[in-house]
Amino acid sequence: DQQVKQNSPSLSVQEGRISILNCDYTNSMFDYFLWYKKYPAEGPTFLISISSIKDKNEDGRFTVFLNKSAKHLSLHIVPSQPGDSAVYFCAASAQSNYQLIWGAGTKLIIKP
Amino acid sequence: SAVISQKPSRDICQRGTSLTIQCQVDSQVTMMFWYRQQPGQSLTLIATANQGSEATYESGFVIDKFPISRPNLTFSTLTVSNMSPEDSSIYLCSARGGLNTEAFFGQGTRLTVV
Repeated sequence: DQQVKQNSPSLSVQEGRISILNCDYTNSMFDYFLWYKKYPAEGPTFLISISSIKDKNEDGRFTVFLNKSAKHLSLHIVPSQPGDSAVYFCAASAQSNYQLIWGAGTKLIIKP
Repeated sequence: SAVISQKPSRDICQRGTSLTIQCQVDSQVTMMFWYRQQPGQSLTLIATANQGSEATYESGFVIDKFPISRPNLTFSTLTVSNMSPEDSSIYLCSARGGLNTEAFFGQGTRLTVV
């Protein structure tokens, strides 16, 4: 049973436009959500997180939105840059549990 | 934030041999984890490395195949034993300092078994 789902295996966006990556979850106990970026041959790099007490968190070009009623979160990148081309993973954790549950990832391709 | 050094970064090994991967964190962390990522797939948790006690393994992973050590709060090793080509993968070390904090990763070990 996949508790964290990223239904889009890949996404192609024009440079300078907005990239929107989506993530759905099924476990209502999740209360902390994270986005990671991964280049080939490197470990995942933390981008941004959000606690379930918030519905938005912003850091520079990256904004994460959380819709608890829909069990949905999204990562917005604006403007998209060529260096943003990577695989993006959504992850979640439940209170009192250190383990992160990972989505399958979305490969983002930024076109010049 | 924590910086994690993982080595080796890559290796090509003969089947039937074992490889030990080392993970060093630059600060004391509560939790350390070992993951495997096969091509085009998500991260699969192998085990949680517990300081001073046996690791906690996820379903499908056993101690005889993936022995793990964690002698202190900054260091852990994962051994891939009696390797077969199916063990070819990227192995990742991760550390997390507390709940509601991010996890940090090493750069990964790309293992190829021939």
